[in-house]
Amino acid sequence: GAGVSQSPSNKVTEKGKDVELRCDPISGHTALYWYRQSLGQGLEFLIYFQGNSAPDKSGLPSDRFSAERTGGSVSTLTIQRTQQEDSAVYLCASSLAVRDHIYFGPGTRLLVL
Amino acid sequence: AQKITQTQPGMFVQEKEAVTLDCTYDTSDQSYGLFWYKQPSSGEMIFLIYQGSYDEQNATEGRYSLNFQKARKSANLVISASQLGDSAMYFCAMREPASGGTSYGKLTFGQGTILTVHP
Repeated sequence: GAGVSQSPSNKVTEKGKDVELRCDPISGHTALYWYRQSLGQGLEFLIYFQGNSAPDKSGLPSDRFSAERTGGSVSTLTIQRTQQEDSAVYLCASSLAVRDHIYFGPGTRLLVL
Repeated sequence: AQKITQTQPGMFVQEKEAVTLDCTYDTSDQSYGLFWYKQPSSGEMIFLIYQGSYDEQNATEGRYSLNFQKARKSANLVISASQLGDSAMYFCAMREPASGGTSYGKLTFGQGTILTVHP
């Protein structure tokens, strides 16, 4: 079956512009995660959706970052007024509840000029 | 305090030899899960192996095994018979219950270990 997909695969934007990153999780997966990975670094947690529960937004670095998940499936991560330090690979992942493995998408490479 | 600690920024191993990548974790929960992922230069995150905190046996997946020592809070990855294609970044991660304990929360990652396999 299809894995986690993300679009766009690459995004170049100018400082101050808004960007939207999309994630399509594996069908039926109730949990969805967004992570950020800067060059040569580990994965920084951003936000986590689990079913109908309130999302865990504890990793969002500022109020310029927001995410939503519509209909328990597709998720959009929005970065407003982008800054150069927002440049990174944004990874989405999904899993079934509880003990299932977590599957990652290929990521969106964001470059803010 | 770091939740997941990988103390080896880089490791080198000869092809066909075994290598151990270290991972220690910090949690007060009794129920948690430990994961290892491989990230080659292409950037994809590849799931390797999973160990549940209540699993009595160490997890194994082909050439990968997880040396789980619960009392020491360590979950080291052992790769046997290393291959050139094993050269990559390796991440250890832990999943704990979400607040309220009704479901599992986010996955927290270590900083990673770069493994280089020499021919």
